[in-house]
Amino acid sequence: QVQLQVSGPGLVKPSETLSLTCTVSGDSTSSYYWSWIRQPPGKGLEWLGYIFYTGTTNINPSLRSRLTISIDTSKNQFSLKLNSVTSADTAVYYCARTTLVNLFDSWGQGTLVTVSA
Amino acid sequence: QSVLTQAPSASGTPGQRVTISCSGSSSNIGNNYVYWYQQLPGTAPQLLIYRNDQRPSGVPDRFSGSKSGTSASLAISGLRSEDEADYYCAAWDDSVTGPVVFGGGTKLTVL
Repeated sequence: QVQLQVSGPGLVKPSETLSLTCTVSGDSTSSYYWSWIRQPPGKGLEWLGYIFYTGTTNINPSLRSRLTISIDTSKNQFSLKLNSVTSADTAVYYCARTTLVNLFDSWGQGTLVTVSA
Repeated sequence: QSVLTQAPSASGTPGQRVTISCSGSSSNIGNNYVYWYQQLPGTAPQLLIYRNDQRPSGVPDRFSGSKSGTSASLAISGLRSEDEADYYCAAWDDSVTGPVVFGGGTKLTVL
């Protein structure tokens, strides 16, 4: 059974870069697509982007200028970098396995990232 | 503001049947599959329905999905207290807002 674990700092200063890594176990990142999704406190879900093992990405148009998603298949990990963060980027960040059939069929536990000085 | 529209709340009593709706457009629901996710308090969302009306293994048949035109619905029959959760619809989207869009979520309260 696939498991996803998000890791990274829980606090980021405004204007700095938010960096998170999702480590996958029980499956290979050389299959499927892999997504990042976030949820501001008390609000709904927002899809951020996904990556294929080839490195091909598709990023939410609203974040295209600030968001980079990368993958390291040798470590079975994929990562997110969001630059120039503001308080609006405070959210629980989830990673998820993504397929054309099931969309997001397995999710990591999520991690709260707070943007504050 | 979410691309897919859901009522913010719904409620029902144990044993009742409740329906949660999701409204979109031709670029998403109208031409693509709809997915439903259940988010129990303090946990990550879980896939509940895929490709409009398909249930993953382990999801009770009390949960059912349907789609008509640019709208979709999630029905829960035989409502149970453990069904109290937030429910989100999602779809692929062919427009510039895509390729994946969510509804704003519906908080289901079991009275």
